Amino acid sequence: AQSVTQLGSHVSVSEGALVLLRCNYSSSVPPYLFWYVQYPNQGLQLLLKYTSAATLVKGINGFEAEFKKSETSFHLTKPSAHMSDAAEYFCAVSRGSFGNEKLTFGTGTRLTIIP
Amino acid sequence: SQTIHQWPATLVQPVGSPLSLECTVEGTSNPNLYWYRQAAGRGLQLLFYSVGIGQISSEVPQNLSASRPQDRQFILSSKKLLLSDSGFYLCAWSEGQMLGSRFGPGTRLTVT
Repeated sequence: AQSVTQLGSHVSVSEGALVLLRCNYSSSVPPYLFWYVQYPNQGLQLLLKYTSAATLVKGINGFEAEFKKSETSFHLTKPSAHMSDAAEYFCAVSRGSFGNEKLTFGTGTRLTIIP
Repeated sequence: SQTIHQWPATLVQPVGSPLSLECTVEGTSNPNLYWYRQAAGRGLQLLFYSVGIGQISSEVPQNLSASRPQDRQFILSSKKLLLSDSGFYLCAWSEGQMLGSRFGPGTRLTVT
């Protein structure tokens, strides 16, 4: 069975500092991996996705993630945090096929930005 | 461009009452459709998915059901709500040439 684990339910960083949100996956086959962001009382917005085309994936809002098979990790980073980055972030793995996704989500990481 | 709508945005219902939540997608044909629930202590969980009209698969046993009467319409229902049905319900869609489900704005359901 495929699963993802997000380390740290809450992360706080200062404005302008590096953001690092951790995600480890478990999958018996090459996975499709995703990061989503959720602002309060809103739906989920896709930040970026890993499809095996490249190990370093760039997404929206300056975020990127690196797929490391040897570490079974897909950590999300941003070089310089902005106040607008405060939100909850979810890592997810697809249990279905391309275009027919059944996502399994991590428990989420709430990111707080300190002015 | 594609858009996804959900309504109502918020709902407060008493225990034992029926439920109907609606989701529609615009700008695409024959999408795969999904219902997820986000509930305290249970995270984000896939409830149902559909690959076509009248085709519904359930992921977890529960008090809810889903239907897809039209290509771009997905409905979540219950005959009698339980307190444990409270949560944030999210509809999502995907299609064959696209990777990464797109989510609607969600419906906040409170069962009292």
